Amino acid sequence: QKEVEQDPGPLSVPEGAIVSLNCTYSNSAFQYFMWYRQYSRKGPELLMYTYSSGNKEDGRFTAQVDKSSKYISLFIRDSQPSDSATYLCAMGYSGGYQKVTFGTGTKLQVIP
Amino acid sequence: DAGVIQSTRHEVTEMGQEVTLRCKPISGHDYLFWYRQTMMRGLELLIYFNNNVPIDDSGMPEDRFSAKMPNASFSTLKIQPSEPRDSAVYFCASSFGGTGINEQFFGPGTRLTVL
Repeated sequence: QKEVEQDPGPLSVPEGAIVSLNCTYSNSAFQYFMWYRQYSRKGPELLMYTYSSGNKEDGRFTAQVDKSSKYISLFIRDSQPSDSATYLCAMGYSGGYQKVTFGTGTKLQVIP
Repeated sequence: DAGVIQSTRHEVTEMGQEVTLRCKPISGHDYLFWYRQTMMRGLELLIYFNNNVPIDDSGMPEDRFSAKMPNASFSTLKIQPSEPRDSAVYFCASSFGGTGINEQFFGPGTRLTVL
């Protein structure tokens, strides 16, 4: 079993829809939970991060962490064609330890 | 800042040949990571360095792979001999350990095709 599991999709939604992307993990030591966005033929870029449990909102994006269930989510409201990309969840440790474990990514397409 | 630089975007080689991928991290970053990305396996960490010293190479698939970081501004990943199953996109990333949030900055990647 992988430490981080993520549905690869692809996920296709109409413009304006609410998108829900999810990951599960098995390592309870993870403290940082991140979402990276990767456009086609580009490197991943950090979109959002949360520390420990709870929610974090940034514009149309909301990240949620449920450590009791080992489950994280990224919600995109009012999705736009420019949101079409692959979204990778990533998890890391506190204390300055830099190694991060990535999910395989979910490919999202927002159709105009 | 120019970001992480991987100047070669596409590398094509023949099976059995040696291939060297190159990376220049962001100035001031003290961590450097090499990843491999494929459709089947996603983004896999191969090796990472801290202050030019290899910390964890457990992701290096086999002895055909080797990585070096001779100084803070340059790293190489070498595959010798290359095989068709090594075809993938190889990313270099760097980070600064002082921030505590594990944010890694990725280069554009080098797409390796082994014929």
